[in-house]
Amino acid sequence: NAGVTQTPKFQVLKTGQSMTLQCAQDMNHEYMSWYRQDPGMGLRLIHYSVGAGITDQGEVPNGYNVSRSTTEDFPLRLLSAAPSQTSVYFCASSYSVAGAIQETQYFGPGTRLLVL
Amino acid sequence: KNQVEQSPQSLIILEGKNCTLQCNYTVSPFSNLRWYKQDTGRGPVSLTIMTFSENTKSNGRYTATLDADTKQSSLHITASQLSDSASYICVVADNYGQNFVFGPGTRLSVLP
Repeated sequence: NAGVTQTPKFQVLKTGQSMTLQCAQDMNHEYMSWYRQDPGMGLRLIHYSVGAGITDQGEVPNGYNVSRSTTEDFPLRLLSAAPSQTSVYFCASSYSVAGAIQETQYFGPGTRLLVL
Repeated sequence: KNQVEQSPQSLIILEGKNCTLQCNYTVSPFSNLRWYKQDTGRGPVSLTIMTFSENTKSNGRYTATLDADTKQSSLHITASQLSDSASYICVVADNYGQNFVFGPGTRLSVLP
């Protein structure tokens, strides 16, 4: 299994540009989520999905869109990039809703985004 | 407000020594507490998961403790190795299962 994969590894955008961060998992996990990690702060949840066709907002959803058309893929779209979105983005997955049950969350390697 | 605090912010130890990292939380209701290891430039990797009823859980040289009454946890690393150099993140899940609160992490450096 490849686990959780993310592309690209690094991206530079200009303010106002849009882009899609890709995330895929091959473990047949129902639960997938996107986090951002900023210096000195804990990871913050952007959006999550409990299954194909179902998505919901996390703590910091503004400026981001997601969709879940398949179990495997969970892309994150930046609609109009802003310097405040400069961050490292992590995708994670687990077999089921990972908080109520002792399910391990598996994280991807991250995408470093710089918005100029 | 649900929060997870970790101390120290950073720590430097010599190879072979032991160390203990601290985590305090105010997340309520509580479901479970997790410790992750995050190497530089990589995603976090799960070390332990503990529920309310568990006081101690080990994973090799890593031992996590949980005191749900005082809302404190610790991660003890025994006989540290150079490969232990990483950030260690404490995460608390609320009882609804979909809200994880991440601590800022402790940056551990193990020197030869």
